[in-house]
Amino acid sequence: GEDVEQSLFLSVREGDSSVINCTYTDSSSTYLYWYKQEPGAGLQLLTYIFSNMDMKQDQRLTVLLNKKDKHLSLRIADTQTGDSAIYFCAESILGYSTLTFGKGTMLLVSP
Amino acid sequence: DGGITQSPKYLFRKEGQNVTLSCEQNLNHDAMYWYRQDPGQGLRLIYYSQIVNDFQKGDIAEGYSVSREKKESFPLTVTSAQKNPTAFYLCASSIPRQGSNQPQHFGDGTRLSIL
Repeated sequence: GEDVEQSLFLSVREGDSSVINCTYTDSSSTYLYWYKQEPGAGLQLLTYIFSNMDMKQDQRLTVLLNKKDKHLSLRIADTQTGDSAIYFCAESILGYSTLTFGKGTMLLVSP
Repeated sequence: DGGITQSPKYLFRKEGQNVTLSCEQNLNHDAMYWYRQDPGQGLRLIYYSQIVNDFQKGDIAEGYSVSREKKESFPLTVTSAQKNPTAFYLCASSIPRQGSNQPQHFGDGTRLSIL
């Protein structure tokens, strides 16, 4: 079955880059998503990438995909205290609308 | 503005009581989903619906029920059979489109607690 794994915690200083990592299980055609959750709130879609892409950049966010290792990363440049949140990686298989989520990575940004 | 509205934000349940969580969307999305979130557990799928009058069980459907009588609405009932209902419940919606996967958009959640 599908499985998505993430490291649970990351701490960085304001202005540094943050890299959040995710691994997923075998799928021939996969969409991979990054969501952000602030305390007490729902999930906000940050970005997503299809498995035939290697990289996607959107302002301060860069997603890198290593299909061979089934490894996905989210890089946040110039991390701000407002970036402190839980970040979820999620996977869906082409043709299926349901998502499988990782357990989330808590990012703490200190001044 | 288009979006997903969940209500209430906080809900308390007594022992043996059924409670219903509301989820309404005005995004004209066909598919809707219910997730449960526990600390350190990520999100787990309870039920989902791809079209009106049809729904499927997710990974943890026991003790829950849903209906989909209207495209805009997908209420979740937490029944007395759910022995550990304390959690944060999230509703989502998406446009299911053959050949591509559209991202899911989420509401702000309902926190359910046992009295």
